[in-house]
Amino acid sequence: AQSVTQPDIHITVSEGASLELRCNYSYGATPYLFWYVQSPGQGLQLLLKYFSGDTLVQGIKGFEAEFKRSQSSFNLRKPSVHWSDAAEYFCAVGGPTGGGNKLTFGTGTQLKVEL
Amino acid sequence: NAGVMQNPRHLVRRRGQEARLRCSPMKGHSHVYWYRQLPEEGLKFMVYLQKENIIDESGMPKERFSAEFPKEGPSILRIQQVVRGDSAAYFCASSRVGLGGNTEAFFGQGTRLTVV
Repeated sequence: AQSVTQPDIHITVSEGASLELRCNYSYGATPYLFWYVQSPGQGLQLLLKYFSGDTLVQGIKGFEAEFKRSQSSFNLRKPSVHWSDAAEYFCAVGGPTGGGNKLTFGTGTQLKVEL
Repeated sequence: NAGVMQNPRHLVRRRGQEARLRCSPMKGHSHVYWYRQLPEEGLKFMVYLQKENIIDESGMPKERFSAEFPKEGPSILRIQQVVRGDSAAYFCASSRVGLGGNTEAFFGQGTRLTVV
């Protein structure tokens, strides 16, 4: 069965500092990987996705993520955080086999940005 | 091109009543997914539907919950005889093709159900 682990429930960073949110997945084949962001009371917005090819993926709002098969990881990064980045971030895995046709989400990382 | 539309945004029901949650997918999307988000938790898959068909309902509770996606009109998630534990945010997502292909799902803003 596919699964996602986001080990950090809460993270606090200062505005302008760099950010890395961790995501580890379990999947029986090459996964499709996603990062979503959720602001309070809102739905989920897709930040970036990985299907195949270049393992460093660029997304919206200056975010990027790197797929590392050997570590089963898909960590999200941003070089300089803005106060508006404060939100909850979800990593998700899907793909064509096993539990395909649905996304499995991690429990999320709540990001707080200090001014 | 409007996004995924869910209504109502907020729904309050008394214990024992029925809750109906609606989801209109994005234009051109025929695949719909329902997820539930409990407080302090991530999103849990409930059901995956295509027009007039339930493809995967492995995440649906065995009783009181049902879903449909008719040929015409929105997808409906129906919860009968609601209990306090049903209080959650329910999100709908849609995609152009099934997520087994390299496509992405677009999410609505959710319906926040409160059972009193």
